[in-house]
Amino acid sequence: SQTIHQWPATLVQPVGSPLSLECTVEGTSNPNLYWYRQAAGRGLQLLFYSVGIGQISSEVPQNLSASRPQDRQFILSSKKLLLSDSGFYLCAWSEGTEQFFGPGTRLTVL
Amino acid sequence: DAKTTQPPSMDCAEGRAANLPCNHSTISGNEYVYWYRQIHSQGPQYIIHGLKNNETNEMASLIITEDRKSSTLILPHATLRDTAVYYCIVRLYGGSQGNLIFGKGTKLSVKP
Repeated sequence: SQTIHQWPATLVQPVGSPLSLECTVEGTSNPNLYWYRQAAGRGLQLLFYSVGIGQISSEVPQNLSASRPQDRQFILSSKKLLLSDSGFYLCAWSEGTEQFFGPGTRLTVL
Repeated sequence: DAKTTQPPSMDCAEGRAANLPCNHSTISGNEYVYWYRQIHSQGPQYIIHGLKNNETNEMASLIITEDRKSSTLILPHATLRDTAVYYCIVRLYGGSQGNLIFGKGTKLSVKP
C-alpha cells in the first residue's frame, strides 16, 4: 500500500532563516506530487505540483521553491523565510483521480 | 477562487445522518465533484467523488442533482470522529495539474 511521509511535523524558524521540508511517497511509481499551504483559518492553497523528476510548476509567485530530485521525493525550500510563510504545509500525491495527503508540517516563523 | 459554495458550519447529533450541501452552479460537463474532509491539524482525507450519478462507499453517499449544479454529501450515521471541515471541490478527472481548489468548507460539529 502507498504511504506518504512528511517531516518535520512542526518547525519554528526565525525570519530570514532558510527552510527545507521533505516529502516522500512509498508504494507507487511516478506519482504526481503537490505542495499546499493552509494559513490559519483559511482553505488550502496549491503552491507547487510536479508530474515527474525535475518538473515543477508553480501556482503562486512567492519566496518558496520546490524540487523533485527523485521520483518519490518532493522538497519545499526557501532561502529566507518571511512571517507570512507561517502555516500548515501539506504534501500530496496522486496517480490520476483523488489526491492523498501527508500528515503536514506546521511552520511558525517568528 | 473556489468554484463551490458551502455553508460555513453545521451541527449534527451523534447517530443521525449529516447532510452537507454544496453549490457548484458553474460546473462544466467534464468536471467531477469531489469531497474531502480535514480533521483538525491533519491532512485532508479523500471521501468520495462523482460525475452525475449518485455514489456510495464505506464512508458516505454523494447525491448530485440532475442539473449537476449542487450536491449533498451524506454521512448516514455521524459519529464524534466525523467532526471535521468538509470540502466540496470540482475538478477535471485525473488531471495532472494540481487543480484541487479548496474553499473554506463546512465545519461539521457532531454532538453527543
